[in-house]
Amino acid sequence: GAVVSQHPSRVICKSGTSVKIECRSLDFQATTMFWYRQFPKKSLMLMATSNEGSKATYEQGVEKDKFLINHASLTLSTLTVTSAHPEDSSFYICSARSGGKTQYFGPGTRLLVL
Amino acid sequence: TQLLEQSPQFLSIQEGENLTVYCNSSSVFSSLQWYRQEPGEGPVLLVTVVTGGEVKKLKRLTFQFGDARKDSSLHITAAQPGDTGLYLCAGVLSSGNTGKLIFGQGTTLQVKP
Repeated sequence: GAVVSQHPSRVICKSGTSVKIECRSLDFQATTMFWYRQFPKKSLMLMATSNEGSKATYEQGVEKDKFLINHASLTLSTLTVTSAHPEDSSFYICSARSGGKTQYFGPGTRLLVL
Repeated sequence: TQLLEQSPQFLSIQEGENLTVYCNSSSVFSSLQWYRQEPGEGPVLLVTVVTGGEVKKLKRLTFQFGDARKDSSLHITAAQPGDTGLYLCAGVLSSGNTGKLIFGQGTTLQVKP
C-alpha cells in the first residue's frame, strides 16, 4: 500500500516558538493532502485540505494564520504551528490522496508545548 | 451536529466475545472506510465499502454497508486482546465534491484476556 511519512514523530517546544511538521508521500504523488488534529481517545478533526500549488482550504474555526500550510510539491506538505501555546499541544496527523478516494494516513506527530 | 454517528464510543469485553460497532447517518455516502488506530500511531485502513448492501470479511472482522449507503457496521467474532484499539469509521459524502472524509466519533475497544 501507499506510504506516508511524517517528521518529526514527536516534538517539544517552548511557548511562543514555531514548529514545522512535514508530511511526505513516499511512493506516490499526492495531489491532495489533509491535516487533522486528534485529542486523546477522540476521533480525527479535519483542520485543512491542501492541494498542490494552491492555497489550503481551512475548516471553520481553524485559524489560517496560526496553522500555516504549504503544499509546494506533489510529495510534500508542511504544517507550521506559529507562536505555539500549550493549548496547541496535540497529535497532528496528515493524509495523502492520489487520484482516487482513498486517503493514506501518516503515523502522526505528537506536539507538546511547554 | 455529527454527520456520522458511531456507537458505542467505549466497549470493554472479555476475550472470546463478539461485538458490533455501528456508524449511522441521515446522509448518503459514496464510500465508507473503517480504520483501526493504536495509541501514538496513525489510522490504518481496514476496508473500504462502496456498494449498498456490500459485505466484506477480513478474518474475524465482517464489514457491512447499508443498502441505502447511509450506515455501516463492523462485527468482530471471538475478540482477542490484539483487537484492542480505536476503531474509526469515515465516509465520503455522495453530495460533496471535495473528497473530504467525514469521521465518526470513534470506538475505543478493550479486549481483556
